[in-house]
Amino acid sequence: KQEVTQIPAALSVPEGENLVLNCSFTDSAIYNLQWFRQDPGKGLTSLLLIQSSQREQTSGRLNASLDKSSGRSTLYIAASQPGDSATYLCAVSQAGTALIFGKGTTLSVSS
Amino acid sequence: GAVVSQHPSRVICKSGTSVKIECRSLDFQATTMFWYRQFPKQSLMLMATSNEGSKATYEQGVEKDKFLINHASLTLSTLTVTSAHPEDSSFYICSAKDILREKLFFGSGTQLSVL
Repeated sequence: KQEVTQIPAALSVPEGENLVLNCSFTDSAIYNLQWFRQDPGKGLTSLLLIQSSQREQTSGRLNASLDKSSGRSTLYIAASQPGDSATYLCAVSQAGTALIFGKGTTLSVSS
Repeated sequence: GAVVSQHPSRVICKSGTSVKIECRSLDFQATTMFWYRQFPKQSLMLMATSNEGSKATYEQGVEKDKFLINHASLTLSTLTVTSAHPEDSSFYICSAKDILREKLFFGSGTQLSVL
């Protein structure tokens, strides 16, 4: 059974710092991996989608990498801003169907 | 871009009543929709997979008679929480699969509070 783990559970940084969020999964037979952002009481915003054949994806200040063989992904956020404060969720898809989510990393960026 | 509309965004109800949550794909057809539940500080857990025109597939531990799912059209799936109890209080979120673009899109979620 696929399990997704995110470390750390919470992270507080001052504005401007670069940071890395980690995600690991137990079954490397994934279809793709996604990083989402969730604001309190709100739905999900898809940040980056990495297909199983890809190594990384970039969008603005965000960069996500995928090492499928080792079951790991990282989300790198450059020059963090207070507006980046949210919970970041990692999720994997197997056979392109429902996603399996980690518990998330709650990020707080102080000004 | 594709939009999934989920209503209501927040509902408060009395114990024993039923609550219906709608998930609608606005600009694409979705043969498959997924329903998730999220308790505070927990991850989103898949409850069931809803397929248009057929019975939903429920995950282990999810009571199908309590969480009724109807996917009557290619753009609408509903989740009805029957005889709601305080322990059903949670954040419910749906996602719809765009069959043409092979992508999943999420609704904005429903915060259910059962008193």
